[in-house]
Amino acid sequence: DTEVTQTPKHLVMGMTNKKSLKCEQHMGHRAMYWYKQKAKKPPELMFVYSYEKLSINESVPSRFSPECPNSSLLNLHLHALQPEDSALYLCASSQIIEELFFGEGSRLTVL
Amino acid sequence: GENVEQHPSTLSVQEGDSAVIKCTYSDSASNYFPWYKQELGKRPQLIIDIRSNVGEKKDQRIAVTLNKTAKHFSLHITETQPEDSAVYFCAVNAGGTSYGKLTFGQGTILTVHP
Repeated sequence: DTEVTQTPKHLVMGMTNKKSLKCEQHMGHRAMYWYKQKAKKPPELMFVYSYEKLSINESVPSRFSPECPNSSLLNLHLHALQPEDSALYLCASSQIIEELFFGEGSRLTVL
Repeated sequence: GENVEQHPSTLSVQEGDSAVIKCTYSDSASNYFPWYKQELGKRPQLIIDIRSNVGEKKDQRIAVTLNKTAKHFSLHITETQPEDSAVYFCAVNAGGTSYGKLTFGQGTILTVHP
């Protein structure tokens, strides 16, 4: 299994809503990532979990809250988002300093 | 932080021609340099990568060269085909203890005309 699975594929939410994005991998990778990608732009790193511990937070606003319940799962909890947070949110996994395997992404629209 | 510059931003070639995309980086401690291809509406996918202990790597029609002294690396695609049309991103890892942190270039939109 070389897949990173993300749900939901599409999400529309209001600025007062609370929602979560989910990511799952079964490749035994020890690092998992959240990236944000705006149209026609490169992916921007948000968070890195290494061995289930948060190792990098790229100064992401607190309205984004990551969680790593176990080595296969990664969540991104969303609360009080702004319209400018609308983007494609990509989950990825890897062994350390190895190929990033990206999921298909969750396309988020904040109204 | 790491600064990655990618050129050109757009590249248009005829089928069968070669395409070259170049990236420069700033952190001399970086040691991993992947290239990703992203088709419209799809996820980025690794097409080739190189580490700092080699100068060149080839995989069929795709090759990557690395010049550590000058801090630049390039993607070479030969005999281009229409299905090579996509956005290509270079990336560089942060050196030192910030493993797992990739910084991407701004991307190159490659169009291969039949």
